[in-house]
Amino acid sequence: QQQVKQSPQSLIVQKGGISIINCAYENTAFDYFPWYQQFPGKGPALLIAIRPDVSEKKEGRFTISFNKSAKQFSLHIMDSQPGDSATYFCAARAAGRRALTFGSGTRLQVQP
Amino acid sequence: DAMVIQNPRYQVTQFGKPVTLSCSQTLNHNVMYWYQQKSSQAPKLLFHYYDKDFNNEADTPDNFQSRRPNTSFCFLDIRSPGLGDAAMYLCATNQQGIEETQYFGPGTRLLVL
Repeated sequence: QQQVKQSPQSLIVQKGGISIINCAYENTAFDYFPWYQQFPGKGPALLIAIRPDVSEKKEGRFTISFNKSAKQFSLHIMDSQPGDSATYFCAARAAGRRALTFGSGTRLQVQP
Repeated sequence: DAMVIQNPRYQVTQFGKPVTLSCSQTLNHNVMYWYQQKSSQAPKLLFHYYDKDFNNEADTPDNFQSRRPNTSFCFLDIRSPGLGDAAMYLCATNQQGIEETQYFGPGTRLLVL
């Protein structure tokens, strides 16, 4: 019940295209859903996060869409750039807890 | 400015030889975490400190220990490293109740020979 399932495992997108990464969860106690970006040899860095009281959050080219009834959330990267090539992790945290549960990661490659 | 600092960045140790990894933070956050990340996998939480309160994950092997002598520093001790412990070790911090974001350090890559 603590799992967060992430897909796809890898994604290749052309420059300027839209990258979409999906995550699904079972635990209804989750109330915080961040996305992290990780470049090779670096630690993950927070990209954007959402709480279940909103269905969408946008920051620049990055948008989280959240579907509470389906227990799914997704990251959309608009106008994808080669510099966006990285591994993306979704995560979730249950109310009253500190630990994050991470998805398995998506390796994004944006081709020039 | 570095906020979560990990030393060393690369560590080579021998099978069974104890090793200590270091993490320091300039954020004055009250929670510090240690994650293990193996190649192409998600970070896996080993344990965390909330102030001086140590919280171990149920599946963290006894071989892994941690110390937090003060707010700024946290150490990961691997008592008898095995080949399976080769991984990237990530330290993260956040301020419970104020800042939900976990800030990660750059990691220490551990190689066990």
